[in-house]
Amino acid sequence: DARVTQTPRHKVTEMGQEVTMRCQPILGHNTVFWYRQTMMQGLELLAYFRNRAPLDDSGMPKDRFSAEMPDATLATLKIQPSEPRDSAVYFCASGYSSGTGNAGELFFGEGSRLTVL
Amino acid sequence: AQSVAQPEDQVNVAEGNPLTVKCTYSVSGNPYLFWYVQYPNRGLQFLLKYITGDNLVKGSYGFEAEFNKSQTSFHLKKPSALVSDSALYFCAVRAPSTSGTYKYIFGTGTRLKVLA
Repeated sequence: DARVTQTPRHKVTEMGQEVTMRCQPILGHNTVFWYRQTMMQGLELLAYFRNRAPLDDSGMPKDRFSAEMPDATLATLKIQPSEPRDSAVYFCASGYSSGTGNAGELFFGEGSRLTVL
Repeated sequence: AQSVAQPEDQVNVAEGNPLTVKCTYSVSGNPYLFWYVQYPNRGLQFLLKYITGDNLVKGSYGFEAEFNKSQTSFHLKKPSALVSDSALYFCAVRAPSTSGTYKYIFGTGTRLKVLA
């Protein structure tokens, strides 16, 4: 079965350290989304890409977060420096959009659970 | 403003009884609506979507949802609940983005608990 792959599944780090989370979208999908899930805020959209171009990262703290797609098979979300309030589960999701209104569903990875001490 | 509301944090239902998980939305233009389910320590899984056409949409695992344009609602339903349906359910809407394309906005989630 095609699936979105995220690594690492779990990460414990200390405040101030750099954290990089990786996502391999489903082959053929051209949109990638990064969401953060916490008990208090629910699912927050951090950034998304279409055809590897960043389209909206307004939900992402710009001073410490960055998201990139070096190629079609890899999306990264980096936090530098990390803070305890960044502790959450980070989800990557991919889908296909034709750009003319196609509204395909998203396929989510299993998430990366980040704990910043 | 584009938004999705799930008014119930938790829904409890007895096994075998019908279940309803509520969702209302606010979006400009024609709404594209989705339901997802999340099991513990897992990612979200797609259940069903409404794009156009019949207001009653059927999806995975016996779930269905009814689109009601006048009430701006998209409630998730199942005629007979199973204990294994216990999970966190998210409603989502596709909304225009500031970049001129679209993004998906999720509700806060409703925890469904099916009691044996």
